[in-house]
Amino acid sequence: KQEVTQIPAALSVPEGENLVLNCSFTDSAIYNLQWFRQDPGKGLTSLLLIQSSQREQTSGRLNASLDKSSGRSTLYIAASQPGDSATYLCAAAPSGGYNKLIFGAGTRLAVHP
Amino acid sequence: DTAVSQTPKYLVTQMGNDKSIKCEQNLGHDTMYWYKQDSKKFLKIMFSYNNKELIINETVPNRFSPKSPDKAHLNLHINSLELGDSAVYFCASSQEREGLDTQYFGPGTRLTVL
Repeated sequence: KQEVTQIPAALSVPEGENLVLNCSFTDSAIYNLQWFRQDPGKGLTSLLLIQSSQREQTSGRLNASLDKSSGRSTLYIAASQPGDSATYLCAAAPSGGYNKLIFGAGTRLAVHP
Repeated sequence: DTAVSQTPKYLVTQMGNDKSIKCEQNLGHDTMYWYKQDSKKFLKIMFSYNNKELIINETVPNRFSPKSPDKAHLNLHINSLELGDSAVYFCASSQEREGLDTQYFGPGTRLTVL
């Protein structure tokens, strides 16, 4: 049974810092891995999707990597801004699971000016 | 244009009542989902439909019944509401694209059972 863990649970950093959010999953048989952002009281916004055969994806200041053999993904945020403050969720889609996403509990990020 | 919309946004009701939440997507996707986010913010999938057919049905009480009248709509009906049903319910949709099936989420429906 796939389980997804995110570390740290919460992070507070000053503006401008580069930071790394970690995600680990127990079953390496995944279809893809997705990172989402959730603002308070809102739905989820997709940030990056890494296919099973890929090692990383980039979008603007965000870079996500995937290492299936070790069951890990990291989300790197460069030059953080107060607008990046949100909860970041990692989700793994198991192979053969009809894109059924298994979510981690999230990392709550606060970027202060 | 709202891609995935849900109604209502808030729902407050008494224990034992029956209620429905509606979801619509205008993205032309063929797969839709219902997720539940509990008080600890943990998101768990409940159901998924592909072209109006149920393909994922997690261990959800049978008081919860999804219905998909067409591939743009997936509604969730809940009978005999219980206190533990209080949560935020999210609808999502995606298009099958060989590993590139990004899921798009609605804004959520906050259900409070008193």
